[in-house]
Amino acid sequence: KNEVEQSPQNLTAQEGEFITINCSYSVGISALHWLQQHPGGGIVSLFMLSSGKKKHGRLIATINIQEKHSSLHITASHPRDSAVYICAVTNFGNEKLTFGTGTRLTIIP
Amino acid sequence: EAQVTQNPRYLITVTGKKLTVTCSQNMNHEYMSWYRQDPGLGLRQIYYSMNVEVTDKGDVPEGYKVSRKEKRNFPLILESPSPNQTSLYFCASSLIHRGPYGYTFGSGTRLTVV
Repeated sequence: KNEVEQSPQNLTAQEGEFITINCSYSVGISALHWLQQHPGGGIVSLFMLSSGKKKHGRLIATINIQEKHSSLHITASHPRDSAVYICAVTNFGNEKLTFGTGTRLTIIP
Repeated sequence: EAQVTQNPRYLITVTGKKLTVTCSQNMNHEYMSWYRQDPGLGLRQIYYSMNVEVTDKGDVPEGYKVSRKEKRNFPLILESPSPNQTSLYFCASSLIHRGPYGYTFGSGTRLTVV
């Protein structure tokens, strides 16, 4: 079992829909990260969370430390949101970064 | 412009020929790290560095070396590349690891070892 599991692996939605991507982890962490990778390959850091909730524009990230679960939400989705979204955790104590395998999101106009 | 610069972007080499992929950041970041990305396996951490002269192994360090002699540079060295090191490589940096700061990633280096 992977230490970081994401669901769904693939998600296709219509423009304007509310999107939720989930991340569960099995190790103790000091932080959780959400990353975005566009088809060209570049990776952008969206959020870094250790508790609670963060919001940036139409993106919202939440984390529940007790349940070892995080969600990334996109409101009013747009075709430019089409990308691979990757969850990663900083392992508590050894500073290693462990990644989920990503969620491929496609927003159809 | 604040950025992480990786070079080269693309590289095709032969088995056993030593190579270095450079990574440089202009943001005075303390933390730097290297990752490889493979289909079906996602991103995996190779090495990371918390500061100058401090480096640690990630999950897949075999076959790689790094050094951090200066804060801005963190080169990845493949002493004797093999075909299983064919991959997409990313370097990243962060101001203070575990702080309220995210990572800045380089544009990636696509390496093919034949």
